[in-house]
Amino acid sequence: DAGVTQSPTHLIKTRGQQVTLRCSPKSGHDTVSWYQQALGQGPQFIFQYYEEEERQRGNFPDRFSGHQFPNYSSELNVNALLLGDSALYLCASSEGRISYEQYFGPGTRLTVT
Amino acid sequence: AQSVTQPDIHITVSEGASLELRCNYSYGATPYLFWYVQSPGQGLQLLLKYFSGDTLVQGIKGFEAEFKRSQSSFNLRKPSVHWSDAAEYFCAVSPQYSSASKIIFGSGTRLSIRP
Repeated sequence: DAGVTQSPTHLIKTRGQQVTLRCSPKSGHDTVSWYQQALGQGPQFIFQYYEEEERQRGNFPDRFSGHQFPNYSSELNVNALLLGDSALYLCASSEGRISYEQYFGPGTRLTVT
Repeated sequence: AQSVTQPDIHITVSEGASLELRCNYSYGATPYLFWYVQSPGQGLQLLLKYFSGDTLVQGIKGFEAEFKRSQSSFNLRKPSVHWSDAAEYFCAVSPQYSSASKIIFGSGTRLSIRP
C-alpha cells in the first residue's frame, strides 16, 4: 500500500518564477492538505482540499493556489516566487471531510535563488 | 490566537535514560492534541493523539503523553530512549468543531542521543 507520494523531491527556482508541486494521497484517502515548513520551524498550514474544493486556508497570500483532481491527487502552485518561499512543502492526506488522522508525504524541498 | 509552544529547542539525553518533551498550547477550548516525529529526510509520523477520555495516551515506539487541562500541557515521555529516537519532535493541535481539520504545529524540539 503506497503512502503519500510527492514530486519532485527537490526543486530550484529563480525569484519571480512559478512552481507546481504534486501530491498523490494514500490509497483510500480523499482529503489533501498542504503545509510549508521553513528551516528550523514547524510546518504551517497552507490549505486543505476536499471534493475538489478548497475547504480551509491558512495565512498565505493568493500567490499560493491549489487544485484537487477527481482522483484526489493535488497540486500546489506558487506564483511570483520570493526568496522567503524556500522551504520544505509537505502534503498530507486523510479520509473524509474532517479527519485528524493525517498521513504526511516526504515533502518537496524548494529552493528559490 | 491559537498557538503551540515547545520551550526546549534542543535536548540531549543518554541512551537508556528517560525523556520528557514539553508542550503547552493556547486555545479557547481544549483542542485535539498530537505528537509527531520527523527524522532527517522523512515525512512526519504520528506518534500519538488525544481526543478525549483517559488523559494518559499511549503511542507507537514506546512513547506516551499526558494531557493536563489545568496546565494546558501535553508532554511527551519515554521511559528509556534508544539511539534511533534521535529526531525532531513536534507537538500539534487541531481545533474541535472546525469546518476542516488543519493542524497547528509547534516549532519543534530536536532530540539528540548521547551514546
